[in-house]
Amino acid sequence: RKEVEQDPGPFNVPEGATVAFNCTYSNSASQSFFWYRQDCRKEPKLLMSVYSSGNEDGRFTAQLNRASQYISLLIRDSKLSDSATYLCVVNTGTASKLTFGTGTRLQVTL
Amino acid sequence: DTGVSQDPRHKITKRGQNVTFRCDPISEHNRLYWYRQTLGQGPEFLTYFQNEAQLEKSRLLSDRFSAERPKGSFSTLEIQRTEQGDSAMYLCASSYPQTSGGRTDTQYFGPGTRLTVL
Repeated sequence: RKEVEQDPGPFNVPEGATVAFNCTYSNSASQSFFWYRQDCRKEPKLLMSVYSSGNEDGRFTAQLNRASQYISLLIRDSKLSDSATYLCVVNTGTASKLTFGTGTRLQVTL
Repeated sequence: DTGVSQDPRHKITKRGQNVTFRCDPISEHNRLYWYRQTLGQGPEFLTYFQNEAQLEKSRLLSDRFSAERPKGSFSTLEIQRTEQGDSAMYLCASSYPQTSGGRTDTQYFGPGTRLTVL
């Protein structure tokens, strides 16, 4: 079983739609959680950290359920520019490797 | 540009040749990471340095791979006797220790070196 599992998609949604991505992780010792965004043939960039209390950044909302070892990302009012691959990422220490999921590809269309 | 830089951006080599990649982290970032990403997969951790000390290595880092960070600034990743399976994007990231809350550092990634082994 992979340490971090995501539905690879693609998710094809019209502009303005709300879309949700889910992710599960297997290591209960995981301490930190992130969503990274990766555009085609570019490097990953941090989108947001995920906290137990849930957190929101504009149109993006991330939630963590430690009991179920489940992380989610909600994007409201999708824009064409949101088209990218969204990587679910976990870390088991304060300074160590990041473990990435395979990514979920999002395509927002007119 | 004060971000992470990597050189070269693209490398095409023949099987059996040695290649070396360079990473320059963000200035004053004392932590440096190497990852490898193949098509359709997320990045996979290879190794991590704090200053010049190599603190963690993945089992993915076979004997043909070696990484150095001699002065705690830039780092090099060398692959000896390349194989077709080494074809991938090699990503470097750097970070600076968080001082409060025990939270993980934010890792900033460079643009990567795309390696093609023929």
